[in-house]
Amino acid sequence: GEKVEQHQSTLSVREGDSAVINCTYTDTASSYFPWYKQEAGKSLHFVIDIRSNVDRKQSQRLTVLLDKKAKRFSLHITATQPEDSAIYFCAASRDSGYNKLTFGKGTVLLVSP
Amino acid sequence: DTTVKQNPRYKLARVGKPVNLICSQTMNHDTMYWYQKKPNQAPKLLLFYYDKILNREADTFEKFQSSRPNNSFCSLYIGSAGLEYSAMYLCASRGQGHSDYTFGSGTRLLVI
Repeated sequence: GEKVEQHQSTLSVREGDSAVINCTYTDTASSYFPWYKQEAGKSLHFVIDIRSNVDRKQSQRLTVLLDKKAKRFSLHITATQPEDSAIYFCAASRDSGYNKLTFGKGTVLLVSP
Repeated sequence: DTTVKQNPRYKLARVGKPVNLICSQTMNHDTMYWYQKKPNQAPKLLLFYYDKILNREADTFEKFQSSRPNNSFCSLYIGSAGLEYSAMYLCASRGQGHSDYTFGSGTRLLVI
């Protein structure tokens, strides 16, 4: 089955800097790659996704890049703010009707003032 | 209401006893999922309902059961809890035509 690896357990940046969180996947049939954010004491919520028909998607300060050849995708956050501090989970699926997501372990992003 | 509710927030169970966790949503989502999350591990899909059809993952097939009496409610049932079941259990739902999940806040289960 699919395996999603999130290689950084923790990432610390200064406010205003950029942050990049990387993930790899193993299933070449995966075609949907979402990111979820979990703030302290709260549930996971969806932030951005990308499908395999594109290699880049941007939403305000967030950009997702997808490299299908390397089976790698990444979340880029520019101009980080303290409220970006959270656990970020990447995931992958075949985007079939059931859309079963396989998640990474999560990366704790700490943005210090 | 665009939230997924999970009850209880915390659950203490004895080894060998049954456990029933509840999830509800009023968004008319057709798919509801249960994930198990242990510290420093990725959330692991246990099972999901698409409408009235239950799908259980192969490696957890015998460990968990579920029911969905109507579109809004979904339960996760453990017949005989073991210490290894201690974890956070996350419920999520997804609407037809949408790819993103809405997660509940989770139930933290401690088996002693």
